[in-house]
Amino acid sequence: QQPVQSPQAVILREGEDAVINCSSSKALYSVHWYRQKHGEAPVFLMILLKGGEQKGHDKISASFNEKKQQSSLYLTASQLSYSGTYFCGTGGNFGNEKLTFGTGTRLTIIP
Amino acid sequence: GAVVSQHPSRVICKSGTSVKIECRSLDFQATTMFWYRQFPKQSLMLMATSNEGSKATYEQGVEKDKFLINHASLTLSTLTVTSAHPEDSSFYICSARDRQGGGSPLHFGNGTRLTVT
Repeated sequence: QQPVQSPQAVILREGEDAVINCSSSKALYSVHWYRQKHGEAPVFLMILLKGGEQKGHDKISASFNEKKQQSSLYLTASQLSYSGTYFCGTGGNFGNEKLTFGTGTRLTIIP
Repeated sequence: GAVVSQHPSRVICKSGTSVKIECRSLDFQATTMFWYRQFPKQSLMLMATSNEGSKATYEQGVEKDKFLINHASLTLSTLTVTSAHPEDSSFYICSARDRQGGGSPLHFGNGTRLTVT
């Protein structure tokens, strides 16, 4: 089942913050976050594996709730380079599990 | 490290012809590669899992006879779109992990934009 992301799209001014949510109807083993710019391949941002985990680098961070059914990506003090479509990806935690991507969130940063 | 190379980046073909797309892991071995398809403004949808030395595993609704996958070595997987039709026009992207475990990221090729006229 494909995870559902919200919002579908958001427009921000440079310097503003954004939160992107990824929800599943069942508990997840892991959540991956990727950013894709138009016509390009997705770029890996981070992975969360444990319920209650929070992880981040620079001004981009993410959380995984205790029940492991929802993850949120936080973008603070957004920069123009943050524009793109963000996807969460869900999969197993062992072997070489396939990844199922969420519905996507298009983020546009304007000056 | 962990570079995945995909060729061609763009291809235009006539309806009814076949197109082959190559996906190579340049600096690691990949026993498994994943092929995704993405239509404009939509998410990446997994088509099939390519397994080195064995048959690919196709997702429900994906025609295995139309989308032929061959994973002949630990660094190369190919996707052949046979008898292509305009509705097959899409962005095809391959990916692989450089180490085992669902907790490791997928590394993507740059994708192939297929246009069928």
